[in-house]
Amino acid sequence: DQQVKQNSPSLSVQEGRISILNCDYTNSMFDYFLWYKKYPAEGPTFLISISSIKDKNEDGRFTVFLNKSAKHLSLHIVPSQPGDSAVYFCAASTGGGADGLTFGKGTHLIIQP
Amino acid sequence: KAGVTQTPRYLIKTRGQQVTLSCSPISGHRSVSWYQQTPGQGLQFLFEYFSETQRNKGNFPGRFSGRQFSNSRSEMNVSTLELGDSALYLCASSLLFGEGSPLHFGNGTRLTVT
Repeated sequence: DQQVKQNSPSLSVQEGRISILNCDYTNSMFDYFLWYKKYPAEGPTFLISISSIKDKNEDGRFTVFLNKSAKHLSLHIVPSQPGDSAVYFCAASTGGGADGLTFGKGTHLIIQP
Repeated sequence: KAGVTQTPRYLIKTRGQQVTLSCSPISGHRSVSWYQQTPGQGLQFLFEYFSETQRNKGNFPGRFSGRQFSNSRSEMNVSTLELGDSALYLCASSLLFGEGSPLHFGNGTRLTVT
């Protein structure tokens, strides 16, 4: 049973436009959410996180939105750059982040020139 | 500051053997977690150690075990290897645990079981 779902295996976006990556979860006990980015042959790199007490968190070009009632979160990247091409993983945790992370299966973002 | 270091990068073992993987966390980080990544199951949590104590464990059989040393370095061991254990094993460290202390991952150990 997949508790964190990223339903789009891949997404293609033109350079300079907005990239929107989506993530749905089923476990209502999740209270801490993160996004990671992964290049081939490297480990995941932390991008941004959000606590369930917030609905938005921004860090530079990256913004994460959380809709608790819909059990949905999204990552917005504006503007998209060629270096953003990577696999993006959504992750969630219970216990305020103190428990192990549950990951989605990832979305491969491709930025077209 | 050096990142999370995992050794070896690649490993080939035969079914039935055992294997030990090593992880050195970022200096000052006291929490170390291990994850398994496979094409079918994605990234799955194995266990987490903090101050030499296992704090959390994922849904893996007892063949998977780990430990953490006083210098925060960690090892994980898989005994009686099965073909399905072929995966990328990722170690991650964090300063503490919980919100505000995200995981920093190493580049992983690629284990192939033949």
